[in-house]
Amino acid sequence: DAKTTQPPSMDCAEGRAANLPCNHSTISGNEYVYWYRQIHSQGPQYIIHGLKNNETNEMASLIITEDRKSSTLILPHATLRDTAVYYCIVRPPNAGGTSYGKLTFGQGTILTVHP
Amino acid sequence: DGGITQSPKYLFRKEGQNVTLSCEQNLNHDAMYWYRQDPGQGLRLIYYSQIVNDFQKGDIAEGYSVSREKKESFPLTVTSAQKNPTAFYLCASSIYQGYQPQHFGDGTRLSIL
Repeated sequence: DAKTTQPPSMDCAEGRAANLPCNHSTISGNEYVYWYRQIHSQGPQYIIHGLKNNETNEMASLIITEDRKSSTLILPHATLRDTAVYYCIVRPPNAGGTSYGKLTFGQGTILTVHP
Repeated sequence: DGGITQSPKYLFRKEGQNVTLSCEQNLNHDAMYWYRQDPGQGLRLIYYSQIVNDFQKGDIAEGYSVSREKKESFPLTVTSAQKNPTAFYLCASSIYQGYQPQHFGDGTRLSIL
């Protein structure tokens, strides 16, 4: 799986947009970008994923650069409950055999939303 | 609501004892996974199963065993052979093929008495 690089920590004011960057310069053509977050002592929560087009769902937006070497997760109106560790992961689709879709979590970004 | 249920939330193991962690999903997912998370570290894959009655070792399978007799259930046994079992254990599931994401339960925290 491609290695990702994220800043170790970020701060955001409540109600403002939180923009979390991720570098994945060695991403392969069939690898997707996934974002998860984890609140202490809970399981990771899936947020969003994409291949090359920008994606949006009820939680967030994902912006992937044209060369796919980096991406940004956007939480449009951050709340205190968005304080968590955010993980950016790239992996190929699960195609069976050795391509079983193992997720490799790095250190992530600790996002702190303050009042 | 559809989801993944792990139980118990906290578990204590005595020396030489085997313990079993439960994972049940009602998402109709084919694939299920067990991960281990240690403090300040990422997830490491223990076992995974892509279909019923089939499972494969992940990166750190030694000292663990699993079964997959039903689609919705994937229990993990931490055996006495696992010398450092204290960790946060996470179960996940996903649609087998393609790029669909894995969804996680809320974990079981295992400690040694």
